Amino acid sequence: EAGVAQSPRYKIIEKRQSVAFWCNPISGHATLYWYQQILGQGPKLLIQFQNNGVVDDSQLPKDRFSAERLKGVDSTLKIQPAKLEDSAVYLCASSLAAGGPGYAGELFFGEGSRLTVL
Amino acid sequence: AQSVSQHNHHVILSEAASLELGCNYSYGGTVNLFWYVQYPGQHLQLLLKYFSGDPLVKGIKGFEAEFIKSKFSFNLRKPSVQWSDTAEYFCAVERGFYGGATNKLIFGTGTLLAVQP
Repeated sequence: EAGVAQSPRYKIIEKRQSVAFWCNPISGHATLYWYQQILGQGPKLLIQFQNNGVVDDSQLPKDRFSAERLKGVDSTLKIQPAKLEDSAVYLCASSLAAGGPGYAGELFFGEGSRLTVL
Repeated sequence: AQSVSQHNHHVILSEAASLELGCNYSYGGTVNLFWYVQYPGQHLQLLLKYFSGDPLVKGIKGFEAEFIKSKFSFNLRKPSVQWSDTAEYFCAVERGFYGGATNKLIFGTGTLLAVQP
């Protein structure tokens, strides 16, 4: 089974520039998550989608971060303008719909997109 | 606020040594508990999980974890580690269950395990 695909793997930008990350979840997974993992910390949830609707975006810095999942499949996360503190690995994960058939609580992660802001 | 604490940030062991990584959480309600592992150069993957039932759960590669509700703990153990267990280990807590709950995972800060051959 194909895993969660993310691109680009690495991105280096200067502060105040913009960047976009793309994620394609596992086929059939209704729930998609974006996590931010800063060096030395655990992943922190930025936004969670169920199909194309937002379930939780309480920790998304909405003044500079945006995310969409228009057709309920792949998703993009955008940062504009970037700050130095946005340097992190951005992880995309997917799972079956919580409470739905086959849901076992497991998240499947992509390899992440490493962002360096100079 | 709900939090997950992993007290060991770096652990260095020799092969065949026993391993125990601590994990404590602060949420008082019903939770699902997970350990995820990230091997060098790979993505995060599930090691084991606890939803309900027997508080001693077994995962892949000989790992096990014990849920102690009174201590809000979910410690990871392995009786004899191997060099291939070198990785970063994350404890995670999920609050909420089915039918519209957010079901988001809150991760600990991770423990970097280095096993020396």
